[in-house]
Amino acid sequence: EPEVTQTPSHQVTQMGQEVILRCVPISNHLYFYWYRQILGQKVEFLVSFYNNEISEKSEIFDDQFSVERPDGSNFTLKIRSTKLEDSAMYFCASTAGLADTQYFGPGTRLTVL
Amino acid sequence: GQQLNQSPQSMFIQEGEDVSMNCTSSSIFNTWLWYKQDPGEGPVLLIALYKAGELTSNGRLTAQFGITRKDSFLNISASIPSDVGIYFCAGQRPGSEKLVFGKGMKLTVNP
Repeated sequence: EPEVTQTPSHQVTQMGQEVILRCVPISNHLYFYWYRQILGQKVEFLVSFYNNEISEKSEIFDDQFSVERPDGSNFTLKIRSTKLEDSAMYFCASTAGLADTQYFGPGTRLTVL
Repeated sequence: GQQLNQSPQSMFIQEGEDVSMNCTSSSIFNTWLWYKQDPGEGPVLLIALYKAGELTSNGRLTAQFGITRKDSFLNISASIPSDVGIYFCAGQRPGSEKLVFGKGMKLTVNP
């Protein structure tokens, strides 16, 4: 069964450094999402992406964050200058259609020191 | 607003028992989803509900989309040890792509 994959599984970085989290959505999906989950808390929406542009974003997704689909398979989340409070699990999700079920990847654990 | 109130926050049950959990909101949702999350992994979809009043089963799991479109419940029957994990409800509002998640319910099943 097709699945969303994410790399790396764990990323450790120093505060102020840039990180890029990578996702390969399910191949025929057209809508892509990033969510984050701070340890012990609920999953929170960051951004949705369709047709090579952001379609919706939350207040968390400030100008330190950016997303890109650099080729036909990858979807990336970049954090320009990481802060301690960016430490969380970051989940990528994808769906075939706007109202279809979102399927989540296994996540990348980001630790900012 | 868009908060989802999920209850209970945790449950400790014996293997074989049934368990119920629910989510409520002050806002209407078009879609209700139930996910299970194991430690260190991403949410895995259990059941998706798309119509008010819809009752859907997936093996030992049964979920319903409330008539008012502001609530949903999930039942797990005859629990087994591998049911342990955190169960999240999530809703999608009309005109929005994002999923709003509840805070999760941690289920512990004692053999």
